[in-house]
Amino acid sequence: QLQLQESGPGLVKPSETLSLTCTVSGGSISSSSSYWGWIRQPPGKGLEWIGTISHSGTTYNNPSLKSRVTISSDTSKSQFSLKLNSVTAADTAVYYCATQPQYYHFPYWGQGSLVTVSS
Amino acid sequence: QSALTQPPSASGSPGQSVTISCTGTSSDVGSYNYVSWYQQHPGEAPKLMIYEVTKRPSGVPDRFSGSKSGNTASLTVSGLQAEDEADYYCNSYAGNNNLVFGGGTKLTVL
Repeated sequence: QLQLQESGPGLVKPSETLSLTCTVSGGSISSSSSYWGWIRQPPGKGLEWIGTISHSGTTYNNPSLKSRVTISSDTSKSQFSLKLNSVTAADTAVYYCATQPQYYHFPYWGQGSLVTVSS
Repeated sequence: QSALTQPPSASGSPGQSVTISCTGTSSDVGSYNYVSWYQQHPGEAPKLMIYEVTKRPSGVPDRFSGSKSGNTASLTVSGLQAEDEADYYCNSYAGNNNLVFGGGTKLTVL
């Protein structure tokens, strides 16, 4: 069964770059028709789609986050990554990675990684 | 893009049915049959319950069903059980490769 695991620093300073990696096991991130996404959830609030990368490396980002988001992948390591620059306290959230086999829904999720933005 | 609109809370007694609405616009819910629903218990990752408006993933009880009319999608939970108490989020494709979530509904089993 497909498993996803987020990893990265739990604390980031304001104005710096948040970096997270999602490691996938039980499947290949380069398989055709697969997509891999990032979703976040501020404490006590709802879910927000951040962006998605396709098996071929094409990326799709939430317009509300504009150009602050970069999503990339390393198929040799079965990983995909998120970078969010110029962070503020509003970016404090649990960050989830998830699979999107047909883009439009998320059947499998990682356990989530809490990232706090604070000096 | 704006978040989809869900009621903040819903409730029902064990055995009853409850329906949670998810209202969007003609640019998202109204235009595409790509509405999904997620259940989230405290401290856990969301779990997919319904996709493509009405489809249930393997393992999800048939007590959970989805529907859509115009710009509003709905999730119905029949035969409420204590373990159904959780937060529920809808999600829709919004065109131009965008995905949008609802604000979430806290379901309480009385």
